[in-house]
Amino acid sequence: QQPVQSPQAVILREGEDAVINCSSSKALYSVHWYRQKHGEAPVFLMILLKGGEQKGHDKISASFNEKKQQSSLYLTASQLSYSGTYFCGTGSGGYNKLIFGAGTRLAVHP
Amino acid sequence: DTGVSQDPRHKITKRGQNVTFRCDPISEHNRLYWYRQTLGQGPEFLTYFQNEAQLEKSRLLSDRFSAERPKGSFSTLEIQRTEQGDSAMYLCASSHGTSAGDTQYFGPGTRLTVL
Repeated sequence: QQPVQSPQAVILREGEDAVINCSSSKALYSVHWYRQKHGEAPVFLMILLKGGEQKGHDKISASFNEKKQQSSLYLTASQLSYSGTYFCGTGSGGYNKLIFGAGTRLAVHP
Repeated sequence: DTGVSQDPRHKITKRGQNVTFRCDPISEHNRLYWYRQTLGQGPEFLTYFQNEAQLEKSRLLSDRFSAERPKGSFSTLEIQRTEQGDSAMYLCASSHGTSAGDTQYFGPGTRLTVL
């Protein structure tokens, strides 16, 4: 079952914050976040493993609530370079086949 | 690491023709994945290799699709008798394969257009 991402699209001004959510109906072992710009490959942002951890680097962080089977990606003080489509990929363990959501399109304007 | 590379980057073919794509993973990555991505959607899993062994194929992968990883290094994905519905971006990813939660790194993809 494909995870559900919300919102589908976000428009921000530079410096504003955003939260992107990812929900699954299945028990999860891991959540992987990627950003993809038009015509390019998905670029890895971070991975969260079972255990309810929170991670972050620079102004992008994420949390994983395994009981609720949800993950959230937090973008603070957005920059123009943050524009793109954000995907969450969920893994159930094993060799980590990922099931991706439909994506959240983020546009940051000056 | 030079990253995952894929060749060709673009392929235009006529319906009914066969096409083959190549993926070179990051060196020493044991796991290799193929995904397909259509416009406005996230990548969909097609198949997975642990070294040279193909361990799972999605039901999305009809018998017209075949993938190999003969020496556990590069991989090829062949589509026979292409159909217009095969038009998509075909993405390859690789990972170390040391744990259940290791990171998959994607290549730039091969965009297939079937006329």
